[in-house]
Amino acid sequence: GQQLNQSPQSMFIQEGEDVSMNCTSSSIFNTWLWYKQDPGEGPVLLIALYKAGELTSNGRLTAQFGITRKDSFLNISASIPSDVGIYFCAGLSGSGNTGKLIFGQGTTLQVKP
Amino acid sequence: NAGVTQTPKFRVLKTGQSMTLLCAQDMNHEYMYWYRQDPGMGLRLIHYSVGEGTTAKGEVPDGYNVSRLKKQNFLLGLESAAPSQTSVYFCATKGQPSYNEQFFGPGTRLTVL
Repeated sequence: GQQLNQSPQSMFIQEGEDVSMNCTSSSIFNTWLWYKQDPGEGPVLLIALYKAGELTSNGRLTAQFGITRKDSFLNISASIPSDVGIYFCAGLSGSGNTGKLIFGQGTTLQVKP
Repeated sequence: NAGVTQTPKFRVLKTGQSMTLLCAQDMNHEYMYWYRQDPGMGLRLIHYSVGEGTTAKGEVPDGYNVSRLKKQNFLLGLESAAPSQTSVYFCATKGQPSYNEQFFGPGTRLTVL
């Protein structure tokens, strides 16, 4: 079945540093989504990407839809302590309107003040 | 608006016991999903529903059953719990077919002894 490989698995950085994470797949996806999960909460959507090559920003977050449609990247600039959490990429699976998502394994981010 | 709520928040079961997890939404969304989250594995789709009265299998459906008798509720049942079903369970909902954001509930942490 379809799988997403997300890296790195975890990051421990200093406040103020920039962060990069990525997601790759052997399958093509037509939509990529990036979610953040705070401890003890459900995931919340950060950015949605709908077109190959698309670059979209949301505040300090920037995400790109890879030109091959098999990868996506998320960058966080000037990290702050509240950026702590697990970041998931997700690709929209299959055809039709089921809305099924395939999730990456997650990147756990820790920020040292 | 409560959004997506899940009941209960925590539960401990013994092997072989049964239970039902309830997901309720007040957003009038057509699509609902049940995921399980395990360390290092991201979120995996168990079952989903594209409308009242309909259900379909996801990626890991074995050992679970679901029902969508009312549009606002999506029930996940474990008939005979096993330790391998120890996990955090998330419900999610989605509105229009062309809109891909899924809204997640706060999760249910289930431990099977």
